[in-house]
Amino acid sequence: SQTIHQWPATLVQPVGSPLSLECTVEGTSNPNLYWYRQAAGRGLQLLFYSVGIGQISSEVPQNLSASRPQDRQFILSSKKLLLSDSGFYLCAWSVDGNTEAFFGQGTRLTVV
Amino acid sequence: QKEVEQNSGPLSVPEGAIASLNCTYSDRGSQSFFWYRQYSGKSPELIMFIYSNGDKEDGRFTAQLNKASQYVSLLIRDSQPSDSATYLCAVQDPSPHASGGSYIPTFGRGTSLIVHP
Repeated sequence: SQTIHQWPATLVQPVGSPLSLECTVEGTSNPNLYWYRQAAGRGLQLLFYSVGIGQISSEVPQNLSASRPQDRQFILSSKKLLLSDSGFYLCAWSVDGNTEAFFGQGTRLTVV
Repeated sequence: QKEVEQNSGPLSVPEGAIASLNCTYSDRGSQSFFWYRQYSGKSPELIMFIYSNGDKEDGRFTAQLNKASQYVSLLIRDSQPSDSATYLCAVQDPSPHASGGSYIPTFGRGTSLIVHP
């Protein structure tokens, strides 16, 4: 069966520090991968998605970046965090985007 | 800019009642529609999906799709306190950036449902 792992679960980082969140999927090949952010009381904002290794599409310009170094690995990064980067970050995968998305456990990021 | 609209609520219903959650979407060409449930502090999980006009039933849940009016709804019968959560509507559309039929899910803000005993 397919599983998705996302870590860490919680993170407190100072303003200006770097960020690296990692997500891996098991049990499937060539999944569509997504990074979403959910601010308090807000909906899911799509940040990045990838349909293959090295293929990254950005939906919202900001100080975040994403990479897909391997087929089932998706990384969200930042060189310098802002206070506004605080939120609940969710990694998700789907077979082709036209079927359901499966979410990781999420990372609660607090920038202080 | 594709939009998916939901009333943020909260929608409060008594235990045993029918909860009705609604969602409208902007892109007439949207093809796939999903309802997710998200408990506080947790990640979303799929409740139902629907592709065709009409109703689709699964246990206490019924999804309704009307493409002409561009809305999709979720009915929860015999609501239970454990149904208290935020319900997210998602619409999936072809990606403008990728070929090969890849789709991008766009989520609404979600409707908070409270089922009180």
